[in-house]
Amino acid sequence: DTAVSQTPKYLVTQMGNDKSIKCEQNLGHDTMYWYKQDSKKFLKIMFSYNNKELIINETVPNRFSPKSPDKAHLNLHINSLELGDSAVYFCASSHSGASTNEKLFFGSGTQLSVL
Amino acid sequence: SQQGEEDPQALSIQEGENATMNCSYKTSINNLQWYRQNSGRGLVHLILIRSNEREKHSGRLRVTLDTSKKSSSLLITASRAADTASYFCATIIQGAQKLVFGQGTRLTINP
Repeated sequence: DTAVSQTPKYLVTQMGNDKSIKCEQNLGHDTMYWYKQDSKKFLKIMFSYNNKELIINETVPNRFSPKSPDKAHLNLHINSLELGDSAVYFCASSHSGASTNEKLFFGSGTQLSVL
Repeated sequence: SQQGEEDPQALSIQEGENATMNCSYKTSINNLQWYRQNSGRGLVHLILIRSNEREKHSGRLRVTLDTSKKSSSLLITASRAADTASYFCATIIQGAQKLVFGQGTRLTINP
């Protein structure tokens, strides 16, 4: 009954591979996000979707492609993985867009290690 | 560039003492939020303070906001070992639709 769940929790892969991280929320929220947390704990937004529509796309390499099949799911596909992609990726959701006084609910993170 | 910056980056205190963490930001905001992250876990929302509020309480947490100085503080009173975590401030920049996080303060409560 986890509110925001993402899989896998750990992902170890070789450079050049393609991988996906899945995220699902059962809170009935309209907006979902992907954040990247680097080794210094710096947390940066990557993408935001509202009701399956892309509303935020930060300066992220186009090797990263989010997909939202419905408003409860936001998956992240990464092509041609690079060493610098190693980080913890967090999925989050909020009731509506972040422009309102909304708090975010986070998943437990996916630790990606690119070797 | 980062919107919020926490200070100090790391704080270690004895159980029972109070812990104060500060956050400074650069642009006008709609609100400011504080989150906690336990090791290996996702962030958990603690408290939200609107730009027209100056102080807010929630249990052992007290948050202040000074928009003239573009700063906020989080006070945890009577700290417990379970409070050991990283604490992040986050702001929604006016006109934007994203919550921007600072780099966090790593708090350690020693028993």
